[in-house]
Amino acid sequence: GQSLEQPSEVTAVEGAIVQINCTYQTSGFYGLSWYQQHDGGAPTFLSYNALDGLEETGRFSSFLSRSDSYGYLLLQELQMKDSASYFCAPRADKIIFGKGTRLHILP
Amino acid sequence: DAGITQSPRHKVTETGTPVTLRCHQTENHRYMYWYRQDPGHGLRLIHYSYGVKDTDKGEVSDGYSVSRSKTEDFLLTLESATSSQTSVYFCAISEVVPGHLDYNEQFFGPGTRLTVL
Repeated sequence: GQSLEQPSEVTAVEGAIVQINCTYQTSGFYGLSWYQQHDGGAPTFLSYNALDGLEETGRFSSFLSRSDSYGYLLLQELQMKDSASYFCAPRADKIIFGKGTRLHILP
Repeated sequence: DAGITQSPRHKVTETGTPVTLRCHQTENHRYMYWYRQDPGHGLRLIHYSYGVKDTDKGEVSDGYSVSRSKTEDFLLTLESATSSQTSVYFCAISEVVPGHLDYNEQFFGPGTRLTVL
């Protein structure tokens, strides 16, 4: 079967660092992607990890451990505009989206 | 912007009526997808297409049909709308991620908010 787990909500302070974890179980696996969605908007692509390790894109980094079926999204120097929902999406024969993690940022 | 538009953007309809949502893309992408998004469920795949007249079911396809007679248009039809189909519907297309030929990044349209009374 397929399963995907990520926290439903996370709260952090402006300027801080936050990590959003994702564990998955899929039939076949190619890689793990992350999407961001602001309220009322459409999901937008953030990153993709095909291999184990850390990929950095500006303030955002994404990590994958294929052996642990685990990944995380790391957001640094949090800004108020980072308040959004974040979806991990492992790719098997199709992309599977999780239920998303709502990130609240406090000033 | 991958040139994706959805119409209508908002629609209110009554139970039992047919509804068709349209997704239009301008950049000749082969893969197109329909998702629905509901609180507590995230994004769920309804149907997808891998070419003209080539479609397949996703995880929540019951009550929905699709058609793709032209590359640029992917239509989602609710033959007889029910209140459980009240949702936000997103269309998406795929593009290859540079350096990752095995992965197709998805670009989403702006969404259609459908209310079935």
